[in-house]
Amino acid sequence: DVVMTQSPLSLSVTLGQPASISCRSSQSLLHSNGKTYLNWFQQRPGQSPRRLIYELSHRESGVPDRFSGSGSGTDFALKISRVEAEDVGVYYCMQSTHWPPYTFGQGTKLEIK
Amino acid sequence: EVQVVESGGGLVQPGGSLRLSCEVSGFIFHGYDMHWVRQAPGKGLVWVSRIDRDGIGANYADSVNGRFTVSRDNAKNTLYLQMNSLRAEDTAVYYCVGDRGSPGDFWGQGTLVTVSS
Repeated sequence: DVVMTQSPLSLSVTLGQPASISCRSSQSLLHSNGKTYLNWFQQRPGQSPRRLIYELSHRESGVPDRFSGSGSGTDFALKISRVEAEDVGVYYCMQSTHWPPYTFGQGTKLEIK
Repeated sequence: EVQVVESGGGLVQPGGSLRLSCEVSGFIFHGYDMHWVRQAPGKGLVWVSRIDRDGIGANYADSVNGRFTVSRDNAKNTLYLQMNSLRAEDTAVYYCVGDRGSPGDFWGQGTLVTVSS
């Protein structure tokens, strides 16, 4: 199974400042078709998760462009260029290259300083 | 408008059974593979099961393999999860999740399963 490791597990950021979450996989997520199936999800307090980024760097419709996904191979990052109050929640990376099983990172809790 | 409604959760004793349902509307259900993902109280997300859009192929996490069965009725736009031999560690909110290329196109609101005597 592919192990997904996120860091940090907790992040406190001042409004308007950038934030970055790292996600590492135990093996390369580059698929033989050339795509990298690395997804990022946001779970706001009391809500269901929603996908922000799919296939490494593709932003979902309606997701603000301050969110971006990057990386390659086994090292990935979710970056928020300027944190806003509505960004509070837990962020998860998830790989869908080598399945089953699909595997999530432990989650990173973002709060406002 | 996309609507995804899970139901069937509740309190069950260890060793008991439950059947979860996930009814969807507002999109072409049979165009999506479907997943169940669970979240224990205060914990992270864990993938449970997947079924392909035709209902032919299914996959399971090791922790539920042999106890849970995923199925779907495309005529009724509904996904199911039959859960048998339930254990305390199965206590979680269960989400149904759509996948048209990558999991997560949509999520339901979740249904809580509590396994306790």
